[in-house]
Amino acid sequence: EDKVVQSPLSLVVHEGDTVTLNCSYEVTNFRSLLWYKQEKKAPTFLFMLTSSGIEKKSGRLSSILDKKELFSILNITATQTGDSAVYLCAVGADSNYQLIWGAGTKLIIKP
Amino acid sequence: DSGVTQTPKHLITATGQRVTLRCSPRSGDLSVYWYQQSLDQGLQFLIQYYNGEERAKGNILERFSAQQFPDLHSELNLSSLELGDSALYFCASSVYPGSYEQYFGPGTRLTVT
Repeated sequence: EDKVVQSPLSLVVHEGDTVTLNCSYEVTNFRSLLWYKQEKKAPTFLFMLTSSGIEKKSGRLSSILDKKELFSILNITATQTGDSAVYLCAVGADSNYQLIWGAGTKLIIKP
Repeated sequence: DSGVTQTPKHLITATGQRVTLRCSPRSGDLSVYWYQQSLDQGLQFLIQYYNGEERAKGNILERFSAQQFPDLHSELNLSSLELGDSALYFCASSVYPGSYEQYFGPGTRLTVT
């Protein structure tokens, strides 16, 4: 059965810290891995990764995919209180064109 | 703003009733997805439409149904509502099913009393 596992489930850090969120997956016919940020509203798209080893970057956020070891990480540097959110990882596979979602990592940034 | 619109934003109704949630995808997107998110729960995929045709079904109850119209907007119908149906219902859209990059609407918060 296809699955996506995120760790940790929750994380509390102080403003200015760097955090690394993990997403591992087991899916048939992997096509892409996506990261979303969800505050108290709809998930917003962050990154889509399809190739191993190529870092995607947006401001203080960056992400990389390892297709051999079947995982991705999302890094946030110099965290701010506005980074507090649930970060969702999802994987797209050819088998059904649906996204398979992880449970999310709840990140709390303390001032 | 993702470009996906959903109405209404909030809905309060009683058990046993029927409601309809509406979604308009981003301009140019042909595929629409419906998700349910209960309090502190993950996203549960319900159903997907592509260009008017049902493409995939997830954990959708038989009391729930959906359709996508020729203008590509979609409606999710929830009937015989139960307390446990209280949740956020999101619509998302993508260009086509294999594009995977989905953009979410603001959601409809349904409260069943």
